[in-house]
Amino acid sequence: DAGVTQSPTHLIKTRGQHVTLRCSPISGHKSVSWYQQVLGQGPQFIFQYYEKEERGRGNFPDRFSARQFPNYSSELNVNALLLGDSALYLCASSWTGKWQDTQYFGPGTRLTVL
Amino acid sequence: DQQVKQNSPSLSVQEGRISILNCDYTNSMFDYFLWYKKYPAEGPTFLISISSIKDKNEDGRFTVFLNKSAKHLSLHIVPSQPGDSAVYFCASGSEKLVFGKGTKLTVNP
Repeated sequence: DAGVTQSPTHLIKTRGQHVTLRCSPISGHKSVSWYQQVLGQGPQFIFQYYEKEERGRGNFPDRFSARQFPNYSSELNVNALLLGDSALYLCASSWTGKWQDTQYFGPGTRLTVL
Repeated sequence: DQQVKQNSPSLSVQEGRISILNCDYTNSMFDYFLWYKKYPAEGPTFLISISSIKDKNEDGRFTVFLNKSAKHLSLHIVPSQPGDSAVYFCASGSEKLVFGKGTKLTVNP
């Protein structure tokens, strides 16, 4: 069975640009969560979507947005990129929308903002 | 404000010995705890969990201990193997998952 896939694997952008990151969950999983991991830190929760609706949002500015499609794949969008947005962006999927549910992570997208 | 703390950034042990990774939490509402393991260039993978109604949970070489009064949990790996070398994250939450900063474990042959 295919695991969680994310694209692209690496991305280089300049300040002020916009970026779209994509995630395909494990087949049958209806919940997708996004995390930001900066160097030396643990993953930090950004968004959770379940059945195409936002279930939770972390402490991130409105420049960050996301959506989930009918096939349960998801996009994370970041506008007006800042140097501090450079990080590994992780997508995780799970069966339910419960936070305790085991989350299966993709390999991440490494975003570098110059 | 860090609600989940892993105060040891790194740990080095010899193959065959015990590895003990520690985690402290501050929020008394937290009642479910998880450990994830992360290899370079891969996403974190779930390792083991424990509910606050228990004080111990075992899965093969991995055991997690929970001390609710001290708001402390630990992950024991016995015996440690070189393949266990990875970053280990402790996580918990109330509505969302909150991760610690991680502890990099190195198991030397």
